[in-house]
Amino acid sequence: DVKVTQSSRYLVKRTGEKVFLECVQDMDHENMFWYRQDPGLGLRLIYFSYDVKMKEKGDIPEGYSVSREKKERFSLILESASTNQTSMYLCASSFQPWNNEQFFGPGTRLTVL
Amino acid sequence: GQNIDQPTEMTATEGAIVQINCTYQTSGFNGLFWYQQHAGEAPTFLSYNVLDGLEEKGRFSSFLSRSKGYSYLLLKELQMKDSASYLCAVKGDYKLSFGAGTTVTVRA
Repeated sequence: DVKVTQSSRYLVKRTGEKVFLECVQDMDHENMFWYRQDPGLGLRLIYFSYDVKMKEKGDIPEGYSVSREKKERFSLILESASTNQTSMYLCASSFQPWNNEQFFGPGTRLTVL
Repeated sequence: GQNIDQPTEMTATEGAIVQINCTYQTSGFNGLFWYQQHAGEAPTFLSYNVLDGLEEKGRFSSFLSRSKGYSYLLLKELQMKDSASYLCAVKGDYKLSFGAGTTVTVRA
């Protein structure tokens, strides 16, 4: 059974804090993605990675960075959290970047106070 | 740019049929996905269309017309467990773009 896991389901942080969101997949997928999901806006791509140590900006990378040191793990970093980063964050992975279905993790609901 | 439109909400009765439309304007087209997302859960893959026509998978079918920039997801014999959000996603030149999702509520 394929699985994408995320480190936390719920997270509350203060403005200015550095926040790490971790994602791990056990499917040996090359490609991993970070999205945020907001009501009325759908899923928006923050960053993606085709391979270890490779990263590409998505539609809304400002205020975020990522790290992919191992194939199975893709981390999203909020360098200095702000209230407008309160959102649901979803990680996904796929065998090929865009032709195949993406497998999503359960999401992390982040609240920045 | 990418523009993907789908209705915000739909309500239907158990046992009925519901059709969720998705229209898109994207730079390039290389396929369209439908995902289902139950409240508080991860999206799960339902279907993928890259050629025109209808793809049927049990109670769910998905249709694509590339010339019209249009797709629909058809849910037949609705069950209470089909209450969820349905996301249309289009693969453009190099990435997936998602619509805002359609929340379907199934009433008894």
